Amino acid sequence: AQSVTQPDIHITVSEGASLELRCNYSYGATPYLFWYVQSPGQGLQLLLKYFSGDTLVQGIKGFEAEFKRSQSSFNLRKPSVHWSDAAEYFCAVAPSGANNLFFGTGTRLTVIP
Amino acid sequence: DADVTQTPRNRITKTGKRIMLECSQTKGHDRMYWYRQDPGLGLQLIYYSFDVKDINKGEISDGYSVSRQAQAKFSLSLESAIPNQTALYFCATSARGPSYGYTFGSGTRLTVV
Repeated sequence: AQSVTQPDIHITVSEGASLELRCNYSYGATPYLFWYVQSPGQGLQLLLKYFSGDTLVQGIKGFEAEFKRSQSSFNLRKPSVHWSDAAEYFCAVAPSGANNLFFGTGTRLTVIP
Repeated sequence: DADVTQTPRNRITKTGKRIMLECSQTKGHDRMYWYRQDPGLGLQLIYYSFDVKDINKGEISDGYSVSRQAQAKFSLSLESAIPNQTALYFCATSARGPSYGYTFGSGTRLTVV
């Protein structure tokens, strides 16, 4: 079945530590790939997206993501986490020819001092 | 003013009542979407619209209806609310398709008692 999987429901990191959030997808062809962030009480904000080309994409707020075709993955990374990064993060895909985005179940990030 | 505005922000209603959630946008986007967010389930698509005359069902349209009153306005109705429709509802817009990413409203938290 086609799906978007975020295997980590909740991650806790210390401020200043590095972060990696995992996302795997199962679609026939490489879809368009996105990461969104949802701060408490807010809507979702686009962090970055991948269409084609360079497999390492840069986003806002110091985030980056790497597309790995062989692993069907699009993991989100940040070298040094700030307390303000505490939020919920959603991976999303737009399969080729699709009319809408499909979202993973989200990963909640807690940042401890 | 926000690009995508949802009203109300919070609503408590009783089982069996009809309720309407409203969404308006200033992005000038043709495409509008309604999503529902439940803890641990991510976002699920309820309805989407490509223009005023084009309305489409999403993954979980049962129990919901929509109206696209104008390019800028897209309303979601629960004809007879039930407790399992308690959720966070998001409206989103996109320029020409999901590959362009979405702009989200801040959400409406609906509680059905």
